[in-house]
Amino acid sequence: TQLLEQSPQFLSIQEGENLTVYCNSSSVFSSLQWYRQEPGEGPVLLVTVVTGGEVKKLKRLTFQFGDARKDSSLHITAAQPGDTGLYLCAGPANTGNQFYFGTGTSLTVIP
Amino acid sequence: KAGVTQTPRYLIKTRGQQVTLSCSPISGHRSVSWYQQTPGQGLQFLFEYFSETQRNKGNFPGRFSGRQFSNSRSEMNVSTLELGDSALYLCASSSGRARETQYFGPGTRLLVL
Repeated sequence: TQLLEQSPQFLSIQEGENLTVYCNSSSVFSSLQWYRQEPGEGPVLLVTVVTGGEVKKLKRLTFQFGDARKDSSLHITAAQPGDTGLYLCAGPANTGNQFYFGTGTSLTVIP
Repeated sequence: KAGVTQTPRYLIKTRGQQVTLSCSPISGHRSVSWYQQTPGQGLQFLFEYFSETQRNKGNFPGRFSGRQFSNSRSEMNVSTLELGDSALYLCASSSGRARETQYFGPGTRLLVL
């Protein structure tokens, strides 16, 4: 059983469209992180959200942390081919330095 | 600052062999975590080393082991390889404080035939 479930698992859209990726859990997390991973590379951190209800913007990317700190979303406006990749959410365990990763959303933006 | 480096980048082994992967963390980082990434299971935590001691461990069999040296470089060893061990092995470095940001290396792609 995955602690963090992401949806959708796969997403293929046309350039210029908007999209939202969801990360859900039955557990409360002190923070959640979003990563993007390109083929053959390791995940690269995009953002960390730490406060329930928090909204962070990174150019065309908007990240939201749920009020109860059990879920998060990533919204991309006017997607571009360079946004193509695997998007992962991750949350820390209550102790130590272990992180739980979501199941991932593979995004393809078609020019 | 140089990023996290992993060697080798690609590796092909046969069942029953053993393999050692290496990870050099970002300078000044004392924590190294290892993850296995497969299409079916996603990213799964193997273990974390901090100041040469294993601080945290995931649910992997004892065939998976690791160590960390005094310069914070870490190695991961997998003995008696199985076909299911084929995966991308990622290491991540951080300062070591709880829930600090992790920085990932490019990974080692292991194929077991």
